[in-house]
This record gives sequence, structure tokens and C-alpha cells, in this order.
Amino acid sequence: NAGVIQTPRHKVTGKGQEATLWCEPISGHSAVFWYRQTIVQGLEFLTYFRNQAPIDDSGMPKERFSAQMPNQSHSTLKIQSTQPQDSAVYLCASSLEGNTLYFGAGTRLSVL
Amino acid sequence: GDSVTQTEGLVTLTEGLPVMLNCTYQSTYSPFLFWYVQHLNEAPKLLLKSFTDNKRPEHQGFHATLHKSSSSFHLQKSSAQLSDSALYYCALSEAGNTGKLIFGLGTTLQVQP
Repeated sequence: NAGVIQTPRHKVTGKGQEATLWCEPISGHSAVFWYRQTIVQGLEFLTYFRNQAPIDDSGMPKERFSAQMPNQSHSTLKIQSTQPQDSAVYLCASSLEGNTLYFGAGTRLSVL
Repeated sequence: GDSVTQTEGLVTLTEGLPVMLNCTYQSTYSPFLFWYVQHLNEAPKLLLKSFTDNKRPEHQGFHATLHKSSSSFHLQKSSAQLSDSALYYCALSEAGNTGKLIFGLGTTLQVQP
């Protein structure tokens, strides 16, 4: 079991460019979560899917952020027109049941 | 809404001394409480989860007691080790057992020789 896999580990974009982050959940897990990690805000919830269906996107900045889960083996988080304040570590997690989240190592996004 | 408060951003102590990291929460129901630990350049991992029957969870020498009267779930260990240096997050489960967790800002624990 390779755990949750996130790619790329590091991404550098210029201001105004698009960034797409990938997540492969643990096989068989029914829920996928996206969080953003910063020193100031800690671990902020962004959105989650259950059985590929979007359930709650209450943490997503509406205008430039979007997430999809086209199949059970991967989810993407897309940020359009990236801004310096989007710089953070983006963490994906999956869970089978209950509340135990298994996190990936994250993607560190740097917007110059 | 539901929230978690971790009052200390950084705790520094000497190896062998006891550890206590504070966590209090606000919730309109009785949530599960969690501690996650994140070592440098690694993914956050579950350390402890509260039980429904008031048992005290323990793992790797750490334990935490859920006190509903004071809405607290402080993390404790009797003797700190250098390898305990990490970022610790307290979290609560959203109502309805959705799987969504609400995290505090985290406490960095630095253990010095």
C-alpha cells in the first residue's frame, strides 16, 4: 500500500498562471479531502468527495479554485490565475470509514 | 461554528521532561477529537482518537483525556524524547460523522537535549 500519492511535490508558478495538483487516494477509500496548510491558518479544509461525488466545497475560494474527481483513483485541484497568497502546501487525504484521514505528503505551491 | 483552539504555537522543552499540549474546542454536539502529528517533510499522521466510552487513548507514550465539561483534549506524555519534535494538530469531527475534520492551528514541539 503506497499510501496517498500527491504530484508534483513542488510546483512553482508565475503570478496569473494556472496550477493543477494531483492526488491518488488509497485504493478502496471512499472519501477524498483537500486541505491547505499554512503557518498562519494551519490546516484549512477546502473540499471533499465521497464516492466521487462532491459533498462539501465550503472552504474553496470560489472564483479561482476548482476540484474534480473523475474516477475513484484520482482527484485534481486546479487553481486559475494563481496569486502569491495561494502559496501553501496543499494536502490530500483519503478515508475508508469513520474519521481517520490518511494524508499524502502534499504539494508545495510557490507563486512568484 | 465548530472550532479548535491550540493556544501554543511553539513549545520548547528539554528531553526527559513531561509534555502537555493544550487543545480546547467549541461544538454544538459531542464530536470525536483527534491528535495528528507531522514530522518535518512528512505527511500528517493520526496519533490519537477519542473513544466514545470515555477510555483514554494512548499511543507511543502519548495520551489524551476528553473532558466534555471543559471541552478539552490535551495531549500529554510523561517524558519527552528528541524524536517527539514535530508539529501537532488537534482536530474535531464534523457533525454527522461525515469524515471532515476541523483542525486547530497546530503546536510545534521542539525537544532539546
